[in-house]
Parts: sequence; structure tokens; C-alpha cells
Amino acid sequence: AQSVTQPDIHITVSEGASLELRCNYSYGATPYLFWYVQSPGQGLQLLLKYFSGDTLVQGIKGFEAEFKRSQSSFNLRKPSVHWSDAAEYFCAVGAGDYKLSFGAGTTVTVRA
Amino acid sequence: KAGVTQTPRYLIKTRGQQVTLSCSPISGHRSVSWYQQTPGQGLQFLFEYFSETQRNKGNFPGRFSGRQFSNSRSEMNVSTLELGDSALYLCASSLEFSEEQYFGPGTRLTVT
Repeated sequence: AQSVTQPDIHITVSEGASLELRCNYSYGATPYLFWYVQSPGQGLQLLLKYFSGDTLVQGIKGFEAEFKRSQSSFNLRKPSVHWSDAAEYFCAVGAGDYKLSFGAGTTVTVRA
Repeated sequence: KAGVTQTPRYLIKTRGQQVTLSCSPISGHRSVSWYQQTPGQGLQFLFEYFSETQRNKGNFPGRFSGRQFSNSRSEMNVSTLELGDSALYLCASSLEFSEEQYFGPGTRLTVT
């Protein structure tokens, strides 16, 4: 069965600074990979996805992620963080069985 | 295009009661999945439906059940509620053979 690890529970970053959120997955084949963001009291919004092809994928809100098969990682990055990026971020993996497995999430705090 | 809608948004029930939550998918999406989100267990997959058939099921007791109607709308039911069932229940929809899921705002269930 597939699984996802997000090593960082909480990250604090200054507005305008860069952000990188880590995600490691466990799955035998090439998985479907996703990053979602959740604001307090809200549902999950899809930021970006990787299915195949170019390992650097662009998403909404200026986010990008890079798939590294050798490291089983799919890290999320943003060059310059805005105060509105404060939220909880979830990495998820799909194995083609219409079920997503999520990491525990990383809470991002943005300081002025 | 309207997103995934879930009703009700908030619900308070007493232990032992049952509850039914409703989800309307994005127009054209025929797959509906349900997830439970709690602070302790994170996001956990409940089940997925396509064309009125359950295609996948998570590791939840039989008190948790669901169904899908011919118009792709879905309901989930929890019988004999327990305090531990208090959670945010998220519904997601996707196209027929896609792993890409779009989430609704969730139903916040509180069991007292």
C-alpha cells in the first residue's frame, strides 16, 4: 500500500522569502502525486499534480513541485511567499485505485 | 462551473443517533469519494463510488456506509454515532477514470 510522509509539521517563513515543503512517498510503481492546500474551516484546494512526463510541474498561486524518482520525493516550492499563503498543505499519492493517501500535513505560518 | 457542494455544512448530533451527509459533484464528474479528517488521524479515505457502485473502501467499521444516485450525487450515512466520529467529512469528485480529485468544503460533524 502506498504511504506519504511530510517530515515538517510546522514551518514559519517571512513574507517574501522562499518556501519549500517536503514530501516523501512509498509506492512500488510511479504514483500519481498531488499537493493540496487547506485554509481553516475550508475544504482542500488542488495546487498541482504529477502524473508523468516533465518532472517539474507548475501549479496555481505561483507554486511548483519537482518529482524525484530516485529520492521518492515530490517537494513543493514557492519563490516568494505572500501572507495569504498561510495555510495547511497536504501531499497526496494515488495508486490508480481511485483512493488518495495523504500525508499528515504541514502548517505554514507567514510572518510580516 | 460550480464546485463540489456538501450539505449540511455543520451538524451536531448525540451519541447513538445516525446522520446522513450529502454531496453533489462537479457537473460531468461521475466519481465521488469520501474522506474523514480528524486532528489525530488526519485525512482518511472512507469509500469511492462510480456509476452507483462502490469501487473502493477504506478501513472503517460497517457503521459507515454510502451510496450514489443515478445523477452522481452521493450520500454517506453513519449509524450509532460515537464521540470519535466527530470530524470534518470531505467529499471529492473526479472524472470517470481520473485520480485528480476536487474537494468540497466539507461537513463538520460534532457528536456530543
